[in-house]
Amino acid sequence: GIQVEQSPPDLILQEGANSTLRCNFSDSVNNLQWFHQNPWGQLINLFYIPSGTKQNGRLSATTVATERYSLLYISSSQTTDSGVYFCAVVPTSGTYKYIFGTGTRLKVLA
Amino acid sequence: SAVISQKPSRDICQRGTSLTIQCQVDSQVTMMFWYRQQPGQSLTLIATANQGSEATYESGFVIDKFPISRPNLTFSTLTVSNMSPEDSSIYLCSGKETLTSGRTPGQFFGPGTRLTVL
Repeated sequence: GIQVEQSPPDLILQEGANSTLRCNFSDSVNNLQWFHQNPWGQLINLFYIPSGTKQNGRLSATTVATERYSLLYISSSQTTDSGVYFCAVVPTSGTYKYIFGTGTRLKVLA
Repeated sequence: SAVISQKPSRDICQRGTSLTIQCQVDSQVTMMFWYRQQPGQSLTLIATANQGSEATYESGFVIDKFPISRPNLTFSTLTVSNMSPEDSSIYLCSGKETLTSGRTPGQFFGPGTRLTVL
């Protein structure tokens, strides 16, 4: 089945720093989403981005489906950005189900 | 996107008992899913909850251990049966918006149920 790898696995930033999180997938996909899981366990939908670029405030995301990766950019990080970031994909090959990546654990220090 | 609520938000249970988790969506969704997230891990799909019929289980998950009901398009339950400490996880309910719903497409999640089995 499809493999979804995220990097880096762990990241520590000072408040105000910028960062780029990467999601690589091993096969073609129909859908891709980025989620933030806050320290209380709630999963928050950041972007639905099967292709192209989107921006929402300090966050933006780019998916290059032909090259099988997606990037999540966080600018001017804040302590509230801490948590785990997951990408999730739906493979093109005959399934409607999201496969979650390995996650990036982010800690932003004040 | 639509909003999902789950009950209970957390529970501590004894080995050998069962717990039923409820998931309520504030609008109709075509698809609902149940996920498990073991400590420090990513999410793993348990099953797709099918309205009015048996759920579709992923490899490694069986109906006897995780019976699921979905009587209508807005409600589902997951039961964790005959629990052991290895079942200690966060259990998350998810709904999927369609491209024609008028809301942000993709999957959205409930707040999760944090289960500890002693």
